[in-house]
Amino acid sequence: DAGITQSPRHKVTETGTPVTLRCHQTENHRYMYWYRQDPGHGLRLIHYSYGVKDTDKGEVSDGYSVSRSKTEDFLLTLESATSSQTSVYFCAISGRDPGANVLTFGAGSRLTVL
Amino acid sequence: DQQVKQNSPSLSVQEGRISILNCDYTNSMFDYFLWYKKYPAEGPTFLISISSIKDKNEDGRFTVFLNKSAKHLSLHIVPSQPGDSAVYFCAASALWGTDKLIFGTGTRLQVFP
Repeated sequence: DAGITQSPRHKVTETGTPVTLRCHQTENHRYMYWYRQDPGHGLRLIHYSYGVKDTDKGEVSDGYSVSRSKTEDFLLTLESATSSQTSVYFCAISGRDPGANVLTFGAGSRLTVL
Repeated sequence: DQQVKQNSPSLSVQEGRISILNCDYTNSMFDYFLWYKKYPAEGPTFLISISSIKDKNEDGRFTVFLNKSAKHLSLHIVPSQPGDSAVYFCAASALWGTDKLIFGTGTRLQVFP
């Protein structure tokens, strides 16, 4: 997966518990993204980062927070997981070549909230 | 408000024939379009892209056509192979001011022998 590692790959948790998903890259890319994939919705952007400590919200950011203290790591946190957050979460990276917004995705983290 | 739409959730095509996947968009600011392919239990992988200054881009068996006036693009796969069976996502972005991709809902392509 082109130097992107997501962990954990699978997690089952209970409603109300905190969850943190980790994305680690070895490409030294500036931009990192968290998407969620759900049937009928495709891939929707949760949060993204354009550098260390620089993050911004995507279209479905409610209930999620992120942190990026190092170039290589981008963490997604669900402070209090809900069943609606059951989904497959994908991390992506981009070197942001001008005019070429090609993202490289990780293998995904499947989260089930009971 | 779905800015990128893939109205066909699934498509079934015989091996060797042409597969045509369609995508419509509503935001006239979009000027860069991509197709991603996704196999089960894997992340999406980039397939082919096209910018708004072109109306066609080819890469081997894959061709993307862009009709800006109709805000429509399509992906043609010729000839289709069983290994092409996957979910295909269309995505779009505006080059100026953002590099965030907006994805469609996906089309599941099945290529049968």
